[in-house]
Order: sequence, then structure tokens, then C-alpha cells
Amino acid sequence: GAGVSQSPSNKVTEKGKDVELRCDPISGHTALYWYRQSLGQGLEFLIYFQGNSAPDKSGLPSDRFSAERTGGSVSTLTIQRTQQEDSAVYLCASSPTGAETQYFGPGTRLLVL
Amino acid sequence: QKEVEQNSGPLSVPEGAIASLNCTYSDRGSQSFFWYRQYSGKSPELIMFIYSNGDKEDGRFTAQLNKASQYVSLLIRDSQPSDSATYLCAVGWGYGGSQGNLIFGKGTKLSVKP
Repeated sequence: GAGVSQSPSNKVTEKGKDVELRCDPISGHTALYWYRQSLGQGLEFLIYFQGNSAPDKSGLPSDRFSAERTGGSVSTLTIQRTQQEDSAVYLCASSPTGAETQYFGPGTRLLVL
Repeated sequence: QKEVEQNSGPLSVPEGAIASLNCTYSDRGSQSFFWYRQYSGKSPELIMFIYSNGDKEDGRFTAQLNKASQYVSLLIRDSQPSDSATYLCAVGWGYGGSQGNLIFGKGTKLSVKP
């Protein structure tokens, strides 16, 4: 069985542009999480999905960040009008029902110039 | 504010020694506790989880939980250079009894010297 996949693996963009990051969770996992990890820092929680709904969006740093999940599967994290401080590794994780271990994808390394 | 605290390290141990990694957490309602390992440039991978007070052993790894003291630790016996990584402690919290959300500590960097 495939693990969590994310695309692109690396993204370089210019300040002010919009970016979309994609996460494909493990098949059958209903819970999906987005985290951000800046260089040398810990994991910063962004948003949690249970199915297609997001009971917790508290970690989104600003209204430039949004995320959606469709069909209870793939999720996209969108960052509008990117800023240099958005540069980080964006990690996605999934778990079977949301009460168990989270399994992480390889991450998307975003660099905003 | 839910917090998970770890010493950032680096913790340096000689090969073959026991490495002891510690973590404290602020939310007394937390019920699930996880240790993840993260190699440089890679994503976190689960080592162990523990839900009950006491010790849980898996190979060279032992997780220890003391809910009264809000303390969880990870012991690595017979440390190997390949154990050199950052170890992340994560504590579960959630909605309606679910413990699906995790709060991560900043991690402890472990270096095992040959």
C-alpha cells in the first residue's frame, strides 16, 4: 500500500504569487493534517480535516492560507500572495480515523524569493 | 495554551550507550503520546506510541509515561550512529474524546558518536 504522497516535492515561487500544494493520504484514512516546518524549527499545526470538513482551522497563520479536501481524499493547501516568511517545508499526514498514529508524507519544500 | 517541551540538545552519546530523551506536556487531559524520529531533510516517522502509565518496550526503544508528572521519555539502548536524528515528542488532544490532533515539541537532536 502506498503511503502519503505530496506534490510538488519542491516549489520555488516569487513573492506575491499564489501556490497550491497537494496531499494524497493513505487510502481509507479519514483524517488529514497539514503542518509547516521552518528551518530548524518544530512542526507547526495548520489545519485538520475529518472527511471533507475541517473542525480545526486554528493553525492557519493568516487569511492568505486556505485548504480544502474533496471526496474525503485529496487535499490542497493554497497560499495566496506568498511572502518570504512562507518559505518552509509543508508536511501532510493522515490517520485512519483521527484517533491514532499520524503517518507523514515526504513534504513540499517551498521557497519564496 | 497546550505546550510540549523538549530540550533541544544536541544530546551526544557514545555508540552502545543508552540515550535518554525527555518531554513534558501541559495538558492534563492528554491521553496519547508519540515519539517520532526525523532525519535531516526527511519527514517524521513514528517510533512508538504509549497510552498508559508505565513502560512500553519495542526492541531497543522504551517509552515511559508518567501522567501524574506530565512526563514522557524515550530510552534508546545500545545506541547506534544510525540513531542520530531529531526526536519529536507529540501529545494528542482533540474533540469529543478523540485524540486525533497532535501537539509537537520542537525536538531533541541526538548525536551518537562511533
